[in-house]
Amino acid sequence: DAKTTQPTSMDCAEGRAANLPCNHSTISGNEYVYWYRQIHSQGPQYIIHGLKNNETNEMASLIITEDRKSSTLILPHATLRDTAVYYCIVRALGGSQGNLIFGKGTKLSVKP
Amino acid sequence: GAVVSQHPSWVICKSGTSVKIECRSLDFQATTMFWYRQFPKQSLMLMATSNEGSKATYEQGVEKDKFLINHASLTLSTLTVTSAHPEDSSFYICSASRAVPGNTIYFGEGSWLTVV
Repeated sequence: DAKTTQPTSMDCAEGRAANLPCNHSTISGNEYVYWYRQIHSQGPQYIIHGLKNNETNEMASLIITEDRKSSTLILPHATLRDTAVYYCIVRALGGSQGNLIFGKGTKLSVKP
Repeated sequence: GAVVSQHPSWVICKSGTSVKIECRSLDFQATTMFWYRQFPKQSLMLMATSNEGSKATYEQGVEKDKFLINHASLTLSTLTVTSAHPEDSSFYICSASRAVPGNTIYFGEGSWLTVV
């Protein structure tokens, strides 16, 4: 079973920041938080991942709480092309062996 | 650009025949690849873990004799759906990871299988 809980769906206005929450209260010390998104009929796209520090890249920012029990993915200026299902996944450290277990994700709808 | 590629993107086959889907890591060696299946409006379900040079590890409920996985090289894994039936129609997705702790897993574009 997935070890994360996310809201089923969210709406966001185009050009505004999209803040997607994720709860992972049972996360272990060696587990990273990964975010992927899946646009309809495509394979999942990697967005960002982190262990305990906040992370930022060209796509998004990841804010992880100090106790690591929750995190928020921030898309700073959402566009219509960001409409997708966003998955928050925890994955153990340990080389290439750890697979990704997907939950239901959050369906983000960016509206004009 | 894509770092994991699947082929074919879509395939239609007759019931009772077999179909092979390829998954390639394009610019890195992947000792482990993963195969997922996704039905419409559902999340991805892990089918099996493919290890280079050894037998695949299948998730509970996945028939290993029906879904044959071969990982003969560090850049190629194949999934063969044998004696396909209409209920095997689905979106099949592979992923691969670089052999570095905390590394990123990349996904292929997916392959649509329709069995008629």
